[in-house]
Amino acid sequence: EPEVTQTPSHQVTQMGQEVILRCVPISNHLYFYWYRQILGQKVEFLVSFYNNEISEKSEIFDDQFSVERPDGSNFTLKIRSTKLEDSAMYFCASSPEGFYEKLFFGSGTQLSVL
Amino acid sequence: QKEVEQNSGPLSVPEGAIASLNCTYSDRGSQSFFWYRQYSGKSPELIMSIYSNGDKEDGRFTAQLNKASQYVSLLIRDSQPSDSATYLCAVTLSLTGGGNKLTFGTGTQLKVEL
Repeated sequence: EPEVTQTPSHQVTQMGQEVILRCVPISNHLYFYWYRQILGQKVEFLVSFYNNEISEKSEIFDDQFSVERPDGSNFTLKIRSTKLEDSAMYFCASSPEGFYEKLFFGSGTQLSVL
Repeated sequence: QKEVEQNSGPLSVPEGAIASLNCTYSDRGSQSFFWYRQYSGKSPELIMSIYSNGDKEDGRFTAQLNKASQYVSLLIRDSQPSDSATYLCAVTLSLTGGGNKLTFGTGTQLKVEL
């Protein structure tokens, strides 16, 4: 069964460093998303991406965040200068055209900012 | 602020019983409603979707929607220990340009006891 793949599974970084979280969505999906979940809290929307551009972003997704689809398969989230409060599990998700409401989540990247 | 509210639990039910999970949402414009299951340390997994008032059944799961009361519920019949997880309610407005921004509740922890 096709699945969304995320790498790395764990990332430890120092405050102020840049990190790139990587995702390979399901191959025929057209909508891509990043969500995050701080330990013990709710899953929060960050950004959605369709047709090679951001379609919506939350107030969390400030200038420190960016997304990119550098080729036909990868979808990345970059945090330019990490803060302690960026520590969270980051989930990538994708959905197919015609069934855009059905999100398939990757297994997540646990980001720890020290 | 568009909110999705759930009782955090834990909700404990004996094996074989019916588990009833509830969710309310604040935005009357919400179009689609979902239940995700999340095991500890894992990503959310879609188990049910519902779009119109009434009941929708899928195996042991029944989702119920009442848009007038802004209420959605999930019933799990013949609960099994493997159903022990956190159940996340999520609602969505369709985004301009396609795709969905899911707003999640904090989740209800379900424990099915032997």
